[in-house]
Amino acid sequence: DAGVTQSPTHLIKTRGQHVTLRCSPISGHKSVSWYQQVLGQGPQFIFQYYEKEERGRGNFPDQFSGHQFPNYSSELNVNALLLGDSALYLCASSFLAGGNYGYTFGSGTRLTVV
Amino acid sequence: TQLLEQSPQFLSIQEGENLTVYCNSSSVFSSLQWYRQEPGEGPVLLVTVVTGGEVKKLKRLTFQFGDARKDSSLHITAAQPGDTGLYLCAGLKGNAGNMLTFGGGTRLMVKP
Repeated sequence: DAGVTQSPTHLIKTRGQHVTLRCSPISGHKSVSWYQQVLGQGPQFIFQYYEKEERGRGNFPDQFSGHQFPNYSSELNVNALLLGDSALYLCASSFLAGGNYGYTFGSGTRLTVV
Repeated sequence: TQLLEQSPQFLSIQEGENLTVYCNSSSVFSSLQWYRQEPGEGPVLLVTVVTGGEVKKLKRLTFQFGDARKDSSLHITAAQPGDTGLYLCAGLKGNAGNMLTFGGGTRLMVKP
């Protein structure tokens, strides 16, 4: 059974550009959460989608937006990229919205903004 | 400022040694999770602790949740090179039970 898949694995963008990252959760999982992990730090929660609705948002500006499709896959969009947006973007999948049973993470998309 | 403080940040030990990693907060969490992350990969869940004072063992790894549910520890016995990685603690709060708050991580290197 496939785990959480993210694409692309690596990406280089220029300041001011827009980027779309994609995530497919484990089959049967309805929740997708997105995290940003800056080098040398722990991941930070961006937002969660459950049953195609945003169910929570961390301390990130509106520059970061997302979407969940009917098949529960998800996109993370970042507009007007800044150098500080360079990070590993992780997608986490779970069956329920609540995380008490833990999350399964993908391998991430490494975004470099130059 | 990290809501969850992990210590130490870095640890380099010889194979066979024991070690303890600490995860501390001034906040109460409904549950706490430990993950291990290897370079180029996402975090992998090791354990979830829910009850204050709870102790869970996973082979050579022992996890403890503080009585007040504000802190946790991970103890590894007889460390092996395969234990090398970034260890992350992450807490869930009752009023935001879908948002994991991560600590800064402890980078462990076990030398053969």
